[in-house]
Amino acid sequence: SQQGEEDPQALSIQEGENATMNCSYKTSINNLQWYRQNSGRGLVHLILIRSNEREKHSGRLRVTLDTSKKSSSLLITASRAADTASYFCATEGATNKLIFGTGTLLAVQP
Amino acid sequence: DTEVTQTPKHLVMGMTNKKSLKCEQHMGHRAMYWYKQKAKKPPELMFVYSYEKLSINESVPSRFSPECPNSSLLNLHLHALQPEDSALYLCASSHPLRVAYTDTQYFGPGTRLTVL
Repeated sequence: SQQGEEDPQALSIQEGENATMNCSYKTSINNLQWYRQNSGRGLVHLILIRSNEREKHSGRLRVTLDTSKKSSSLLITASRAADTASYFCATEGATNKLIFGTGTLLAVQP
Repeated sequence: DTEVTQTPKHLVMGMTNKKSLKCEQHMGHRAMYWYKQKAKKPPELMFVYSYEKLSINESVPSRFSPECPNSSLLNLHLHALQPEDSALYLCASSHPLRVAYTDTQYFGPGTRLTVL
């Protein structure tokens, strides 16, 4: 399967703490994207990092990409209860299709 | 308007029924997608339309029939479905870049389908 793997599968933290999620993928990519999904509803795009970029920031989000290790991480700083959701990485490669990772379920306790 | 809308929100159908899912966007996007998502799993691509033409069919059974009547609308016609087709069906849209179909994708809230 081309599907990426995410780690951990589930993460529970206290409000104010940082949350880190990792994504590994198998093939070469054009870009890697992170999406959030609340309670089985639609996905919301968070951030896109291209294959020639190593780090990107957006608000409380920091994404890194290591193409030599075929891995990415998403850091959410100063987490809030509203950050509780599933987080998916998605890669776009030679097939020009988005392939989603297995997802991390984040629970932020107030 | 950065919204993708989907109707209905919930759908229950029998295996002999014919129903349709609808998706609409007014962002001027010319690429539109259908995904299927089972519980606790990532979305799986079903179909891609680019400039109103079907460009990708991920070997989806013929009981699912997509249609793109114009640049703003995307339908998914359902017929003779099986209980294992019960899932969340997500629509998305994006700007197609060059020959690539993917960029930031904007997702609708989904239709929760139950097949009895």
